[in-house]
Amino acid sequence: DSGVTQTPKHLITATGQRVTLRCSPRSGDLSVYWYQQSLDQGLQFLIQYYNGEERAKGNILERFSAQQFPDLHSELNLSSLELGDSALYFCASSVEVGHANYSTDTQYFGPGTRLTVL
Amino acid sequence: AQKVTQAQTEISVVEKEDVTLDCVYETRDTTYYLFWYKQPPSGELVFLIRRNSFDEQNEISGRYSWNFQKSTSSFNFTITASQVVDSAVYFCALKSFGNEKLTFGTGTRLTIIP
Repeated sequence: DSGVTQTPKHLITATGQRVTLRCSPRSGDLSVYWYQQSLDQGLQFLIQYYNGEERAKGNILERFSAQQFPDLHSELNLSSLELGDSALYFCASSVEVGHANYSTDTQYFGPGTRLTVL
Repeated sequence: AQKVTQAQTEISVVEKEDVTLDCVYETRDTTYYLFWYKQPPSGELVFLIRRNSFDEQNEISGRYSWNFQKSTSSFNFTITASQVVDSAVYFCALKSFGNEKLTFGTGTRLTIIP
């Protein structure tokens, strides 16, 4: 158990709908990362938040958005869902250490949320 | 640009055999970090090891060992005396200093045959 929790574990929805995935980082971790794992794209970085602020952006679609709340939990919102959005969505967290505010720490992953869009 | 290549898509070995998973990486950065993660059939991603670019010392942890060679840009993972519980997909990943994201390889599916 990494200490990172994600809910729900499974989500089945229809095209065009909107869903929210939730993540609670490990105690003491300030950074939260979101990744998408799909059969065709593999594991892809979506976005990172550090202490409530967006820090880095990857291959995140405009239909997707995220935020990190004062209690450090994070939510990933996916809207206007398409069949191709079906994937396993992971949240990871890390302690923010290192120089120039860049994290050098290990990212620990949650169990993932499996999203199925029908 | 960063890239991680795991050329072995699938490997099957008989239990108790040794097996090595290959990982080759590309980066222009001088400071970077390499990782191995395990994804068992249950789906979660489990952290196994992290290695810093300035530390080429090999590491052994029980039946697991890692060989980091900067000269060949490789970070290979060996499982000695494999067990059925080792069956999983193994991912090698790279993170450069100053870049927040992990770049993953495509993974190697390891099946241990009892």
